[in-house]
Amino acid sequence: EAGVAQSPRYKIIEKRQSVAFWCNPISGHATLYWYQQILGQGPKLLIQFQNNGVVDDSQLPKDRFSAERLKGVDSTLKIQPAKLEDSAVYLCASSTSGGAGYNEQFFGPGTRLTVL
Amino acid sequence: GNSVTQMEGPVTLSEEAFLTINCTYTATGYPSLFWYVQYPGEGLQLLLKATKADDKGSNKGFEATYRKETTSFHLEKGSVQVSDSAVYFCARIAYSGAGSYQLTFGKGTKLSVIP
Repeated sequence: EAGVAQSPRYKIIEKRQSVAFWCNPISGHATLYWYQQILGQGPKLLIQFQNNGVVDDSQLPKDRFSAERLKGVDSTLKIQPAKLEDSAVYLCASSTSGGAGYNEQFFGPGTRLTVL
Repeated sequence: GNSVTQMEGPVTLSEEAFLTINCTYTATGYPSLFWYVQYPGEGLQLLLKATKADDKGSNKGFEATYRKETTSFHLEKGSVQVSDSAVYFCARIAYSGAGSYQLTFGKGTKLSVIP
């Protein structure tokens, strides 16, 4: 079974530029998550989708970050314009949904963003 | 709130040494608890989990016991190997509504095992 795919793996941009990350979840997984992992910290949830709807985006800096999952499958996360403090690894994860409790999240390899 | 605190790293051990990485959580309800591992250049992987008090999660020689009385979920391994070198994250879940759950992670502890 293919895992969660992310691209690009690495990206270097200058501040005030724009950047987009792509994620393809495991086939059949209805729930998709984007996390930000700053160096030396644990991942922090940015946004959670259930199919193509947003479940929680309370920690997404909406003035510069946006995300979409138009067809309920793959997703893109965009930063416009980027700031130095956006340098981090952006992780995508997916899980099945439904059932009585927690559904295990499977993580992609991440995209390492460096903002100069 | 829902938070997780784990011991600061980095931790450096010799091969076959005993490992403990401490983790405590805020006691909002009775959350499921997890340890995730991130090997160099790879994504996060679930290492083990425990869903209720006194449960013991185990995998690959690692163990952690859900201690409600001390709100802890310490990770242990009796004899570490070089291949265990990685960053370990303690995590808990919180219900986010609409049938969905969210993970809250600790800051991670980097383990280096030397031959």
